[in-house]
Amino acid sequence: DIQMTQSPSSLSASVGDRVTITCRASQSISSHLNWYQQKPGKAPKLLIYTASSLQSGVPSRFSGSGSGTDFTLTISSLQREDFATYYCQQSYSGPYTFGQGTKLEIK
Amino acid sequence: QIILKESGPTLVKPTQTLTLTCTFSGFSLSSSGVGVGWIRQPPGKALEWLALIYWDDDKRYSPSLKSRLTITKDTSKNQVVLTMTNMDPVDTGTYYCAHRGTSSGFQNWFDPWGQGTLVTVSS
Repeated sequence: DIQMTQSPSSLSASVGDRVTITCRASQSISSHLNWYQQKPGKAPKLLIYTASSLQSGVPSRFSGSGSGTDFTLTISSLQREDFATYYCQQSYSGPYTFGQGTKLEIK
Repeated sequence: QIILKESGPTLVKPTQTLTLTCTFSGFSLSSSGVGVGWIRQPPGKALEWLALIYWDDDKRYSPSLKSRLTITKDTSKNQVVLTMTNMDPVDTGTYYCAHRGTSSGFQNWFDPWGQGTLVTVSS
C-alpha cells in the first residue's frame, strides 16, 4: 500500500494568513493526488484533484501543487469558513489511501 | 445534481454482518466510466477507502478488508450495496458512499459524497 503522510497534523492560524499543508507519498504517485476539506459532522468535500486542478465551485484562494512524492495545499488568505480538517488522497493505485488529516484551527 | 444517501443499521452486534445501501440520483451506474465507492471514518480518526464498483461491474477492494467485503450494484434501483462480515467494535464509525469524480482514465477521486451513516458495533 502507498502510505500518505501529512504535515503538520494540526495548525493554528489567523484569518487572512497564508497557509500551506504538505502531503508526502511513500512512493512516486505522479500527479495522482487529491485534497478534501471536512468540517465537523459533515462529509468530506473535494477541493483539488490531480494535484493542481481546482474543483468547480471551490474558491480560487485554494491551490495545489507537486508531483512525484511531495505535494502541497495552499490557502492564500484564510477565511473563517476554511477552518476545518484537510485530507490528501492518492489515486495512483488501490487501495486509494488517505493521509491522517491536518486540522486547521483558529489562532 | 448528483446526490447520494447511505442507509442501514445504526447498531450491529459483534460477529454480525453489516449491510449498507447507497441510493443515488443524478447519474447512471450503467454509463461508461461511472463508479461508486465506500469510505469509512472511525470517530475522530482519518478516512479509510473500502471498496469501489464500476459501471461494468468491475470491483476493487481494500486488501486489508477484502475477505470481509462485498460490493454490488442494482442499476435499475440506482443503488450500491456494501456488506461487511464479522463486524467488530473497531469497525465502529461513519460510512460514506461517494461518486467517482471522473469518468475517464484510471484515477479515482470522490465527488460528491453522501452525508454518511454512523454504525456502532457493540453487544
